[in-house]
Amino acid sequence: DAGITQSPRYKITETGRQVTLMCHQTWSHSYMFWYRQDLGHGLRLIYYSAAADITDKGEVPDGYVVSRSKTENFPLTLESATRSQTSVYFCASSAGGPNEKLFFGSGTQLSVL
Amino acid sequence: AQSVTQPDIHITVSEGASLELRCNYSYGATPYLFWYVQSPGQGLQLLLKYFSGDTLVQGIKGFEAEFKRSQSSFNLRKPSVHWSDAAEYFCAVGFYYGQNFVFGPGTRLSVLP
Repeated sequence: DAGITQSPRYKITETGRQVTLMCHQTWSHSYMFWYRQDLGHGLRLIYYSAAADITDKGEVPDGYVVSRSKTENFPLTLESATRSQTSVYFCASSAGGPNEKLFFGSGTQLSVL
Repeated sequence: AQSVTQPDIHITVSEGASLELRCNYSYGATPYLFWYVQSPGQGLQLLLKYFSGDTLVQGIKGFEAEFKRSQSSFNLRKPSVHWSDAAEYFCAVGFYYGQNFVFGPGTRLSVLP
């Protein structure tokens, strides 16, 4: 089914471990985004990508790494997970940047113990 | 710095009652304005968007929003709430330059039968 999918849906890991969250979209949208959602903060942008091989930092990039070798995939890696990275992570895509309609995945709930 | 405020953290209304969710932004010019809705356990879905033109914008699911430049506000309204409208509502603001795009902290809507 077409759309934007995130995996895994839930993830529990330990402090210091590397974790990769996956995001795949089938629309060939140019732009892809990673947000984290925390109570009281709304959604905060971690990284975004305007096209394959083009990525840039958002508001809260520290401790995260992204790559975009293919237009349809935009994985987010926590190199050494910390408890403060416990959050719900959302991937989104749009055809023309954030001022166009954003399409969101269902999210990944990550717990770092 | 640009900011978005949603003064109400949680609102409870009875089914069939009218609804107004408040959103204020801080920016020197008229930005792009959005309302997104998040149902429990889901990603966000765009309700409506304003950029220019008629200041009363119609969206999906019977929602509308009114842009008031003098008040830097973009309040969301619905004349008669349905139980299925219970969700988290996010106001968001986009700007002309760069990829700066800010979500408000959200307002949780509960609907009483």
